[in-house]
Amino acid sequence: DIQMTQSPSSLSASVGDRVTITCRASQSITTYLNWYQQTPGKAPKLLIYAASSLQSGVPSRFSGSGSGTDFTLTISSLQPEDFATYYCQQSYDIPWTFGQGTKVDVK
Amino acid sequence: QVQLQESGPGLVKPSQTLSLTCTVSGGSISSGGYYWSWIRQHPGKGLEWIGYIYYSGSTYYNPSLKSRVTISIDTSKNQFSVTLSSVTSADTAVYYCARVGSSGSWADYWGQGTLVTVSS
Repeated sequence: DIQMTQSPSSLSASVGDRVTITCRASQSITTYLNWYQQTPGKAPKLLIYAASSLQSGVPSRFSGSGSGTDFTLTISSLQPEDFATYYCQQSYDIPWTFGQGTKVDVK
Repeated sequence: QVQLQESGPGLVKPSQTLSLTCTVSGGSISSGGYYWSWIRQHPGKGLEWIGYIYYSGSTYYNPSLKSRVTISIDTSKNQFSVTLSSVTSADTAVYYCARVGSSGSWADYWGQGTLVTVSS
């Protein structure tokens, strides 16, 4: 299986901060990388697909970049509703695998 | 707007079979070339992909569960289902159903999830 490693595992930030989360794959996955946001008690929500494409309805403050093994999710200006856990997911190979998650909480 | 809703027992005894159904509304399960997936999340943990089924019936499973899992589709009811046999406490999790785009790469619509506890 392809291993996905996110960093950091958690971070504390304030409203208005620029937040960057990284995801590294154990082998090249080209751009088969997706990002999800999950708040407590809710299902994950797709934010970014194919490494850098913004899902319809997702605010433009979210962006994704990267290819190969290294990827980044950036929130340009953190909003109160963005405090959540973020997961990366690879779909280059079956089985799909997810990162362990990055929890963004209030500083 | 596509909506998915999981249903099934919230409590299953060890060694028995877990069965869940996902009802899709707002669109036909057999149109559009989508895949239909099951994903689970152990309490307080990350996400684990169980598998998915193409609208035509082709299935793809996580090898770690392949010997115990079956995903099926009932286009007449606009539903798809998962069964997991010989469950143990390690199968206690929130189970989500989700729609996967025709590329087979990302889940764009999710159900709310249902907690299944394996306990005697």
